[in-house]
Amino acid sequence: DGGITQSPKYLFRKEGQNVTLSCEQNLNHDAMYWYRQDPGQGLRLIYYSQIVNDFQKGDIAEGYSVSREKKESFPLTVTSAQKNPTAFYLCASSIGNEAFFGQGTRLTVV
Amino acid sequence: SQQGEEDPQALSIQEGENATMNCSYKTSINNLQWYRQNSGRGLVHLILIRSNEREKHSGRLRVTLDTSKKSSSLLITASRAADTASYFCATDAATSGTYKYIFGTGTRLKVLA
Repeated sequence: DGGITQSPKYLFRKEGQNVTLSCEQNLNHDAMYWYRQDPGQGLRLIYYSQIVNDFQKGDIAEGYSVSREKKESFPLTVTSAQKNPTAFYLCASSIGNEAFFGQGTRLTVV
Repeated sequence: SQQGEEDPQALSIQEGENATMNCSYKTSINNLQWYRQNSGRGLVHLILIRSNEREKHSGRLRVTLDTSKKSSSLLITASRAADTASYFCATDAATSGTYKYIFGTGTRLKVLA
């Protein structure tokens, strides 16, 4: 939706493995965000980036890492240090006040 | 930190009725937005209201903002089965200096045909 593509839609990971979620946007937005959503819950901010080569921790950054080498891309790595990674992950971008969201990646640890 | 809290957590109404959901937040804001999420999907922006506005309309949606009470309400009139979704408020804290959106916990709306 809105030119934001998240992949894959579903992802399975074995315990102890790192995994990277992709987020690409073609909207020329400067700001990008990663949120985590647990069942029946709201969104919690993991990381956000206002500009290329810069990013800040959100409220629940522990066990996650990001990079912002290109304006279009903001990949999220879920590391083995994240104790409870099974969740729905949403990427967003914004210019001005409105955020545009991808369709999400559902990560399951098996 | 969770900035917004919506209530009720869940709402079930008949088609044609109005649905009202509320959002409360904790700190000063630049603006407040409402988003909709269909099950297992991304969020879609519905409407934005700025801190100096008190009411805003968009189609069947009506949003109010009371900054003195740090609260907002979303009214969906003449609801349809297709309105069934979760609705979230999001705030952009005035002091953050960035467009860092903080989302509430959401209201799950079910419209019965």
